[in-house]
Amino acid sequence: DQQVKQNSPSLSVQEGRISILNCDYTNSMFDYFLWYKKYPAEGPTFLISISSIKDKNEDGRFTVFLNKSAKHLSLHIVPSQPGDSAVYFCAATPVGGTASKLTFGTGTRLQVTL
Amino acid sequence: ETGVTQTPRHLVMGMTNKKSLKCEQHLGHNAMYWYKQSAKKPLELMFVYNFKEQTENNSVPSRFSPECPNSSHLFLHLHTLQPEDSALYLCASSQEQRSSYEQYFGPGTRLTVT
Repeated sequence: DQQVKQNSPSLSVQEGRISILNCDYTNSMFDYFLWYKKYPAEGPTFLISISSIKDKNEDGRFTVFLNKSAKHLSLHIVPSQPGDSAVYFCAATPVGGTASKLTFGTGTRLQVTL
Repeated sequence: ETGVTQTPRHLVMGMTNKKSLKCEQHLGHNAMYWYKQSAKKPLELMFVYNFKEQTENNSVPSRFSPECPNSSHLFLHLHTLQPEDSALYLCASSQEQRSSYEQYFGPGTRLTVT
């Protein structure tokens, strides 16, 4: 049973526009959410996170939104740049959880075109 | 060396071979992980070690055998693999404590079983 779902396997966005990557989860016990970015031939790297007590967290061009009632989070990248082309994974951990309890989604491949 | 390193980066092995993957973390973390990433699938957690003790084994076939001699090193011993075991094998580490949720990944070993 896939508890963290990224239903769009790929997304193509023009440079300068907004990229919106979506993630849905089914486990209401999830309490903390993270986004990871992965380039080919490299491991995933942490990008941004959000606690369930917030509905928005911003870091430069990256903003994560959390809608707890809908069990949905999204990552906004504005403006999108070619270097943002990568696979993005969302991940979640339950209440009282630690890093070892992270559950990852399947990933969305973002392609930023010129 | 910094972060999490993995060797080799690429490995081609026959079904009857025995090989080992190595991971080393230079972050002072106390937990280490092996993941398998296959195309169009979520990251599959294989093994978790906390303070050198194996705490999770997610129904991984016995042809995969982990070893954690100390908190900085993790091995994955491979024996009589199948072609479907071809994948990217990622190692990660984290500091296992409350309010610490990030895992830090190595670059991965691309394994091809022929």
